[in-house]
Amino acid sequence: DGGITQSPKYLFRKEGQNVTLSCEQNLNHDAMYWYRQDPGQGLRLIYYSQIVNDFQKGDIAEGYSVSREKKESFPLTVTSAQKNPTAFYLCASSTHLDTQYFGPGTRLTVL
Amino acid sequence: AQSVSQHNHHVILSEAASLELGCNYSYGGTVNLFWYVQYPGQHLQLLLKYFSGDPLVKGIKGFEAEFIKSKFSFNLRKPSVQWSDTAEYFCAVSRTNRKLIWGLGTSLAVNP
Repeated sequence: DGGITQSPKYLFRKEGQNVTLSCEQNLNHDAMYWYRQDPGQGLRLIYYSQIVNDFQKGDIAEGYSVSREKKESFPLTVTSAQKNPTAFYLCASSTHLDTQYFGPGTRLTVL
Repeated sequence: AQSVSQHNHHVILSEAASLELGCNYSYGGTVNLFWYVQYPGQHLQLLLKYFSGDPLVKGIKGFEAEFIKSKFSFNLRKPSVQWSDTAEYFCAVSRTNRKLIWGLGTSLAVNP
């Protein structure tokens, strides 16, 4: 079954800890994206990658880091430098035609 | 700054009412336009898209949208809503660099 998987679905983190969110796709898409969704603020782009071993900062990259070592995988690390990390995180991938397909999301809560 | 505006943040309708959600963008030149929907507890999914051709685009579940270039608009419509249309709706625009610019979303509640 083709699609995008994100894990875990729910994640709890203590203040000061780094945490990594997983995103895997088997759609053979070149581009992958990470968004943060907060109520009333729509989707804000954190990082995106158009090809393996390359990625660019989005609009709110501070406090986050990514890697793109494999086409299928685009993990996001939320570092302790992110001041307000509690949010819903969405991963997406796309072809060159720009239609983005989304995973189910990870809800991160900082305790 | 480049932006996408969704005029209605919260909409409440009764079943069988007609729906129109506004979306305007601030770019010139060629754009691709999208409407996505997020049903409660489900993935964000594509409702419809416009790349070129007929400016009236039909999507899933009876939705349609009209691209009016002169007005920089891509409004979403449905003639008769159902309770199952309760969801959050997002308009998005992309240009050649593949980044999508998103509106803030419209929360639609349909009362049975």
